[in-house]
Amino acid sequence: GESVGLHLPTLSVQEGDNSIINCAYSNSASDYFIWYKQESGKGPQFIIDIRSNMDKRQGQRVTVLLNKTVKHLSLQIAATQPGDSAVYFCAENYNQGGKLIFGQGTELSVKP
Amino acid sequence: GAGVSQSPSNKVTEKGKDVELRCDPISGHTALYWYRQSLGQGLEFLIYFQGNSAPDKSGLPSDRFSAERTGGSVSTLTIQRTQQEDSAVYLCASSLEGATNEKLFFGSGTQLSVL
Repeated sequence: GESVGLHLPTLSVQEGDNSIINCAYSNSASDYFIWYKQESGKGPQFIIDIRSNMDKRQGQRVTVLLNKTVKHLSLQIAATQPGDSAVYFCAENYNQGGKLIFGQGTELSVKP
Repeated sequence: GAGVSQSPSNKVTEKGKDVELRCDPISGHTALYWYRQSLGQGLEFLIYFQGNSAPDKSGLPSDRFSAERTGGSVSTLTIQRTQQEDSAVYLCASSLEGATNEKLFFGSGTQLSVL
């Protein structure tokens, strides 16, 4: 199967601070990118997406930035809350129908 | 239904036995996906169904793994002669049309433990 990475990087932030989670994607032909949040024992939950013709997209408290030159994606979470503690995954679409290929994930831990 | 439903939520089996995992996608969604997630790791693509097209089986790790989708709705993932390395969470997802810019909606997964 296709997947990226074996070990989960971690990010620890203080409640109220901003968080930045980074992701390097693999395929320069990918045209759609998406961030998911996964809490323990649950399936991944959609956060925000972006198409390759954009470099920034904002949602509620979240912003996704896309840098196609260096194949880099980031998720910014403003005023991080304890409820944001989870594993965050980026995913890309290689233009092969709806199939998403996921990155390795980053564990976000928010200290109260 | 309101969301993607998977059953069972937990399955414990003995090495060498066959298992079947079930997925009910969101009503009206034509595309269905299976992923595998080993402990502390990312999601590994297994197989993808889109409408009446031939499924994309490129992620199936061995011929012990197979999946069906009957009537364009419910899907069953079958693992024959299970091995300990098959232990993982198996996640199912669906999307409306299987287009390249659609988000996938995931179920809560089936935790498979092979003893």
